Amino acid sequence: TQLLEQSPQFLSIQEGENLTVYCNSSSVFSSLQWYRQEPGEGPVLLVTVVTGGEVKKLKRLTFQFGDARKDSSLHITAAQPGDTGLYLCAGALISNNDMRFGAGTRLTVKP
Amino acid sequence: EPEVTQTPSHQVTQMGQEVILRCVPISNHLYFYWYRQILGQKVEFLVSFYNNEISEKSEIFDDQFSVERPDGSNFTLKIRSTKLEDSAMYFCASSGNELAGGVTDTQYFGPGTRLTVL
Repeated sequence: TQLLEQSPQFLSIQEGENLTVYCNSSSVFSSLQWYRQEPGEGPVLLVTVVTGGEVKKLKRLTFQFGDARKDSSLHITAAQPGDTGLYLCAGALISNNDMRFGAGTRLTVKP
Repeated sequence: EPEVTQTPSHQVTQMGQEVILRCVPISNHLYFYWYRQILGQKVEFLVSFYNNEISEKSEIFDDQFSVERPDGSNFTLKIRSTKLEDSAMYFCASSGNELAGGVTDTQYFGPGTRLTVL
């Protein structure tokens, strides 16, 4: 079983549509990060959320950390082809701050 | 903007050979990590390192693996006798800016080393 479950695993949408990606766990995290990864490259940090209920916005991306710090969501408004990529959530364990990754959501935005 | 660097970008080796993957973490960071990602699979934690010693390791990180911080800038991952299943992208990450109180909530990743074991 995975510590962090991401859904959906794959998402293909048209340019201009909105979408939400979910990251769920039964564990509590001290913080949660969202990364975007291009093929053959390392994960690039998008945002870190620390406080339960926290909402952060990064242009068309809105990130929310659940009140209980067990889950998070990433909402993209008016998706563009440039948003295409693998979106990873990673939670920092309370015990030692080591990170565990979800399996990722592969997003394709068609022009 | 400071970044984590890794060398080489691609390493090809024969099964049974030793490989050393190198990383230069972000200056003033205190915590260092290695992850691997087998092609098409999730990013997996291998080991974390702080204060010149391993602080946590996963079950993947067996006796064939070792890490070292040989000087003030490099952080290495050694695989003693590579196996075919060690083929993967290996990512180094660092966190905990000493100048910002060492808060570790955000890890920054390097571009990775693609290891191919033949």
